[in-house]
Amino acid sequence: QVQLQESGPGLVRSSQTLSLTCTVSGGSMNSGTNYWGWIRQPAGQGLEWIGHIYTSGSSKYNASLKSRVSISIDTSQNRLSLRLTSMTAADTAVYYCVRLVGGWFGELWGPKYMDVWGRGTTVTVSS
Amino acid sequence: EIVLTQSTGILSLSPGERATLSCRASQSVSSDLAWYQQKPGQAPRLLIYGASSRATGVPDRFSGSGSGTDFTLTISKLEPEDFAVYYCQQYDTSLTFGQGTKLEIK
Repeated sequence: QVQLQESGPGLVRSSQTLSLTCTVSGGSMNSGTNYWGWIRQPAGQGLEWIGHIYTSGSSKYNASLKSRVSISIDTSQNRLSLRLTSMTAADTAVYYCVRLVGGWFGELWGPKYMDVWGRGTTVTVSS
Repeated sequence: EIVLTQSTGILSLSPGERATLSCRASQSVSSDLAWYQQKPGQAPRLLIYGASSRATGVPDRFSGSGSGTDFTLTISKLEPEDFAVYYCQQYDTSLTFGQGTKLEIK
């Protein structure tokens, strides 16, 4: 059974860069059908999709974060990474690593829903 | 961006009752809709995908219906462990979530 574990600093200073890692166990990231991504959730609020990446390295990001976010994947190490620059208090949240099921949209292959979630890691931005 | 509206913010019901949660999309998402359950301090859990298919291990008291812009998650007979927050998510065009419906014990 695939499990995801997020790791990284719990506290980041305002204007600095957040770097998180997600380690995948119980299976290979190289399945060829799944996407891997990040979701975040501020305390007491809803879920926000940050972005995702395919094993080919092709990625897509939330338009509201696109200028600050980068997601990378290392299938040899079974690791997913998130980098978010210019952090502000609005970026304080629980960050989840997720596996997205891939599927066909007509003739295109794309991400659908999230079937595996990590436990999440809390990131607080301090001034 | 496709906006998903879960019009009921809080739904108060008793165990044994039937729960009906709604999710409306700002434009058609076909059947590209999923539902998640989130309990306090836990990550969300996939319940329904493709608008009506139950994920592995999900009890059959959970069912999903709808297509296009209007979707429903029904819990036929509430168990104590079903009281949680429920989110819908569309994957027809990019990925977006509804704001959630909290199902609380009456």
